Amino acid sequence: DTAVSQTPKYLVTQMGNDKSIKCEQNLGHDTMYWYKQDSKKFLKIMFSYNNKELIINETVPNRFSPKSPDKAHLNLHINSLELGDSAVYFCASSHRDTYEQYFGPGTRLTVT
Amino acid sequence: AQSVTQLGSHVSVSEGALVLLRCNYSSSVPPYLFWYVQYPNQGLQLLLKYTTGATLVKGINGFEAEFKKSETSFHLTKPSAHMSDAAEYFCAVSSWDDKIIFGKGTRLHILP
Repeated sequence: DTAVSQTPKYLVTQMGNDKSIKCEQNLGHDTMYWYKQDSKKFLKIMFSYNNKELIINETVPNRFSPKSPDKAHLNLHINSLELGDSAVYFCASSHRDTYEQYFGPGTRLTVT
Repeated sequence: AQSVTQLGSHVSVSEGALVLLRCNYSSSVPPYLFWYVQYPNQGLQLLLKYTTGATLVKGINGFEAEFKKSETSFHLTKPSAHMSDAAEYFCAVSSWDDKIIFGKGTRLHILP
C-alpha cells in the first residue's frame, strides 16, 4: 500500500491554464505539506496544513491555492500557469510532533 | 533563521570506499536534524534523524550520522559504498515554526 500518493505523476499543460494536483496519505498523520523542487533539485516548502488548518504559507503567488478537505488529503490548485511553475511538486505528511516527513513520488509539471 | 549548508554539490567515491557527505547547520535552538535520500524520479526517503539523546545515529542501508554541537555539523557516513547508493542526498533541520529547511543536496556518484 502506498503511504503518500499523488496524482497525476506527470502533467504537461500550456501557459494560462488551470490545473490541480491531488495528494492522499494513509498513514494517519495530522500534518501535510506541499514542496516545490526546481531543476537544480532545490526543495522549498510551499504550504503546510495541520488537521485541515493552514499553518505554513510561504511566499507563494496567490495563483497557488491549497485545499484540504480532510486530514488525509491535501490538493494543490494552480491558476494561470506560467513557464516558471515548471517543477516537480512533492506532497508530504507527518505527525506534527515528530517532524519526520514521508514524501509522495512527486508530480512533474511542465508548462509550455 | 535556521539554515543548512551541504558542502559539495557532487561527491564521487569508488565502490567499497568510505562515503562522507558533509552538512553544517545553523540554529538558535536545539535542532532536529535529518538526512533524506532521493533516487532518480522518486520522492524523498528518510535515511535517519537526530532528535535528542545519543549523538551517533544509525539509519537505513548502513548509513549513520553524528551530531556534533560544537561544530554544528551532522555529517553522513557509510563505511563501504555500493553502486545502489548513487542518489541525491539532502540534509535538513527542523525549524521553530514546524518547517523543515532542506540543504541544496549532494549528488553521490559511485565509481566502479
